[in-house]
Amino acid sequence: SAVISQKPSRDICQRGTSLTIQCQVDSQVTMMFWYRQQPGQSLTLIATANQGSEATYESGFVIDKFPISRPNLTFSTLTVSNMSPEDSSIYLCSVGYGGRSGETQYFGPGTRLLVL
Amino acid sequence: GDSVTQMEGPVTLSEEAFLTINCTYTATGYPSLFWYVQYPGEGLQLLLKATKADDKGSNKGFEATYRKETTSFHLEKGSVQVSDSAVYFCALSFYGGSQGNLIFGKGTKLSVKP
Repeated sequence: SAVISQKPSRDICQRGTSLTIQCQVDSQVTMMFWYRQQPGQSLTLIATANQGSEATYESGFVIDKFPISRPNLTFSTLTVSNMSPEDSSIYLCSVGYGGRSGETQYFGPGTRLLVL
Repeated sequence: GDSVTQMEGPVTLSEEAFLTINCTYTATGYPSLFWYVQYPGEGLQLLLKATKADDKGSNKGFEATYRKETTSFHLEKGSVQVSDSAVYFCALSFYGGSQGNLIFGKGTKLSVKP
């Protein structure tokens, strides 16, 4: 399995500001994903972070709101832009690792975001 | 579209009780199936998985069998402990080609009382 870390672990932000979340993996992985877990809800995929190209976004998520970088095979960032209280969630990165790519995913500890 | 349905929670059990959390799925092909667990204040951890029909995934005393005929992947444990208190998520995913995203159920919160 992979060891995944996220920074920050939690933050409280004011509406209208932006927050960049970092995800670091201890080994090179092809597939990295960003999920959102709203309070009391399940996880929803935001986008797939592609190394060397633009991220692929799921329906309902756009690059202007959630820009993603993937500069190499061990690191990715997700920015939550122009935040509103509705963006208060846990944001998790995950990696597809081992076996058939993308089938088994390991998750980071998450970033707990509260927007006031 | 593809989806996962889990039994509604919360589930409250006494220690050493038998646990079943139901999970059924709808999918156009033959996905891999997963159970993830989220302990209080922590991220998701992979608990077990099965990649084809009749496979049984097992870990930490938990088991789940991939039943294609009933499109189910129910989670079971013979004797739960207080430390098993967590939220359990059933999920499916398809191999490669696609974006490889996991489709999650809504989660079932389990509380085990001493």
